[in-house]
Amino acid sequence: ETGVTQTPRHLVMGMTNKKSLKCEQHLGHNAMYWYKQSAKKPLELMFVYSLEERVENNSVPSRFSPECPNSSHLFLHLHTLQPEDSALYLCASSQDPFPEQFFGPGTRLTVL
Amino acid sequence: DAKTTQPNSMESNEEEPVHLPCNHSTISGTDYIHWYRQLPSQGPEYVIHGLTSNVNNRMASLAIAEDRKSSTLILHRATLRDAAVYYCILRDRSQGNLIFGKGTKLSVKP
Repeated sequence: ETGVTQTPRHLVMGMTNKKSLKCEQHLGHNAMYWYKQSAKKPLELMFVYSLEERVENNSVPSRFSPECPNSSHLFLHLHTLQPEDSALYLCASSQDPFPEQFFGPGTRLTVL
Repeated sequence: DAKTTQPNSMESNEEEPVHLPCNHSTISGTDYIHWYRQLPSQGPEYVIHGLTSNVNNRMASLAIAEDRKSSTLILHRATLRDAAVYYCILRDRSQGNLIFGKGTKLSVKP
């Protein structure tokens, strides 16, 4: 595997389910990000991890819970989501201080 | 964060050059100009970035106005695979966050 991978690629869940999105980067980077892309809206930054510590949380509801167990893996734990949370969730990584972010293909989430 | 303005959409013919404009009149001295693109059903992809001087890489060229209030991404020979949404983003050199706008949707006709 190369670059940034995300699993699953597609997920359908009910509002009472608990699920997790997984991101793995094979680039040796030290920063990882979660973004949300809703239909017809710009990408929104959700969380930033640098050296495995969360350094930014952009007022994201607590039903989204990130976890970064090591510099290569990032999770987004989901529980009691709402239909408006349906979106493409994108993971990215970068190597400070270089600015380029490398994105994964995203997980398409549908909440019923 | 300083704001950028891009046209919603542009069309190009295959194998012709494409000039994608971006206005950023409130740019600060420490803002870098970044371009990313997002192909259909994929995550965004880094294209190029610059500060003051024009930049070239294997994907594109970035022309930056002398007053830095605008820039142009140049694709020298558009291919069908260049059809994507192109985002112009200002990023302060001291922080890593990218603030995406709506971008320009580029269509390439054969």
